[in-house]
Amino acid sequence: DQQVKQNSPSLSVQEGRISILNCDYTNSMFDYFLWYKKYPAEGPTFLISISSIKDKNEDGRFTVFLNKSAKHLSLHIVPSQPGDSAVYFCAAKISDNAGNMLTFGGGTRLMVKP
Amino acid sequence: DTGVSQDPRHKITKRGQNVTFRCDPISEHNRLYWYRQTLGQGPEFLTYFQNEAQLEKSRLLSDRFSAERPKGSFSTLEIQRTEQGDSAMYLCASSLTANYGYTFGSGTRLTVV
Repeated sequence: DQQVKQNSPSLSVQEGRISILNCDYTNSMFDYFLWYKKYPAEGPTFLISISSIKDKNEDGRFTVFLNKSAKHLSLHIVPSQPGDSAVYFCAAKISDNAGNMLTFGGGTRLMVKP
Repeated sequence: DTGVSQDPRHKITKRGQNVTFRCDPISEHNRLYWYRQTLGQGPEFLTYFQNEAQLEKSRLLSDRFSAERPKGSFSTLEIQRTEQGDSAMYLCASSLTANYGYTFGSGTRLTVV
């Protein structure tokens, strides 16, 4: 049973426009959410995170929105740049999980066209 | 380079052979994690260490898999009697505490033929 789902395997956006990547989760115990970005032949790199006590967190061009009632989060990238082309993973965890294990979604491949 | 290092980057092995991967975490990080990523999927948790103690193992980690972190520094992941279904990217990550995010290595891509 996938507890974290990214239903869009790919997304294509024009440079300068907004990219919106979506993520849904089923486990109501998750209270911390992260987005990772992965280029080919590299490991995932941390992008931005949000605690369940917030509904928005912004860092430069990246903003994550959390809708707890809908168990949905989204990552907005504005403006999108060709260098943003990568696979984006949503991940979730339970904060009092001593092991700090993450549950990842399946990823969305973003392609930003010049 | 003070990131997480994994060796080898690629490994091709015949079915039934044993393989061992190594991970060198960021030196001050006491937590080390192994994840596996198959094509089109996100990383899946395998196991984690706090210092030298292996504190949790996923049910994905069958009896053919064993991981060690003998001195609380580098870690090894061994797969015995490899099967084609073991073909995947094996990712190692480390973190300072439970409240810090992971730093992932570049992974070891295993292909079992």
